[in-house]
Amino acid sequence: GAVVSQHPSRVICKSGTSVKIECRSLDFQATTMFWYRQFPKQSLMLMATSNEGSKATYEQGVEKDKFLINHASLTLSTLTVTSAHPEDSSFYICSATRDRVADTQYFGPGTRLTVL
Amino acid sequence: DAKTTQPNSMESNEEEPVHLPCNHSTISGTDYIHWYRQLPSQGPEYVIHGLTSNVNNRMASLAIAEDRKSSTLILHRATLRDAAVYYCILRWQGAQKLVFGQGTRLTINP
Repeated sequence: GAVVSQHPSRVICKSGTSVKIECRSLDFQATTMFWYRQFPKQSLMLMATSNEGSKATYEQGVEKDKFLINHASLTLSTLTVTSAHPEDSSFYICSATRDRVADTQYFGPGTRLTVL
Repeated sequence: DAKTTQPNSMESNEEEPVHLPCNHSTISGTDYIHWYRQLPSQGPEYVIHGLTSNVNNRMASLAIAEDRKSSTLILHRATLRDAAVYYCILRWQGAQKLVFGQGTRLTINP
């Protein structure tokens, strides 16, 4: 149990376009979802925390108007990278928990975004 | 968030035990010690966590020092599939988020 999927697994887009990444909890209801980004050879950096039905909480330095997060249901969160630029190219990973506090995080397989 | 210190890399041989150390000298009494690992080109996966007592599960064992300033993740019999980056993370009992450090890149030799 506790499977998280992401779609797409890879996406290539042109500079200036927007890209939407989906994160789904397949066999449990996720009260909280997290979005991370990871550059090559680096660790994961938390971008934002999203609780179902409320606005996401962004980490310092993350532009909320550029990285739009929607968590409209207990099984789906989306991250939209607006007006993407080459420096946004990265590995985006979501995770989900079943409880709001201190639960194990279950991670998706990640989405590789390349902006040309 | 309290910080952890891990070696950048370690190497071991297949079918041998592996001991991955983690120092966390500024740990507070309500910080749990979590271990996650990330296989190449995948999202991380949960390995184990503990507070004060040693913990065992089907993946690994977690040995926590008596003063809680360090811990060791033990893989009892490494396989090639255990090659990954292992992250030791402290999380306060009431916190939601995980803060990842640089982790230890474990290489397993056949």
